[in-house]
Amino acid sequence: EPEVTQTPSHQVTQMGQEVILHCVPISNHLYFYWYRQILGQKVEFLVSFYNNEISEKSEIFDDQFSVERPDGSNFTLKIRSTKLEDSAMYFCASTISVGSNYEQYFGPGTRLTVT
Amino acid sequence: GNSVTQMEGPVTLSEEAFLTINCTYTATGYPSLFWYVQYPGEGLQLLLKATKADDKGSNKGFEATYRKETTSFHLEKGSVQVSDSAVYFCALNMNRDDKIIFGKGTRLHILP
Repeated sequence: EPEVTQTPSHQVTQMGQEVILHCVPISNHLYFYWYRQILGQKVEFLVSFYNNEISEKSEIFDDQFSVERPDGSNFTLKIRSTKLEDSAMYFCASTISVGSNYEQYFGPGTRLTVT
Repeated sequence: GNSVTQMEGPVTLSEEAFLTINCTYTATGYPSLFWYVQYPGEGLQLLLKATKADDKGSNKGFEATYRKETTSFHLEKGSVQVSDSAVYFCALNMNRDDKIIFGKGTRLHILP
């Protein structure tokens, strides 16, 4: 069964460093998302992406964050200058289309630890 | 705004007990409703869904019915197993290309 993959599974970085989290969505999907889950808290929406542009972003997704789909298969989340509070599990998701039979498929997540 | 409220955890039950995890939602319009499960050390997996009022989603012995009149989507299972120990998230979205809004999650512990 097709699945969303994410790399790395765990990333440790120092405060102020840039990190890029990688996702490979399901190949025929068109809508892409990033969510995050701070340890013990709820999963929060960060950004949605369609047709090579951001369709919606939350208040969490400030100027330090950016997304890109560089080559038609990868979907990346960049954090320019990490802060301690960016430590979280980051989930990528994708879906094929709008409509009642379509759902978002989540990757296994990347655990980001900022020290 | 749209939101999901679910019962606080942790919930601890003995094996073979009956499970209910309450979930209510607030939404403008008619959302699709979901239950996601997160097993220890793993990502989010869709457990079941319902896309319109009175639909019942079911999977792995779990069930939830979309109740528009009470804006609820309670998760139930007749006989839980130790392997059901996980965090369960109730969630909604308004359109298939829209963000998913999650509840805070309910941690479930099943004792042998």
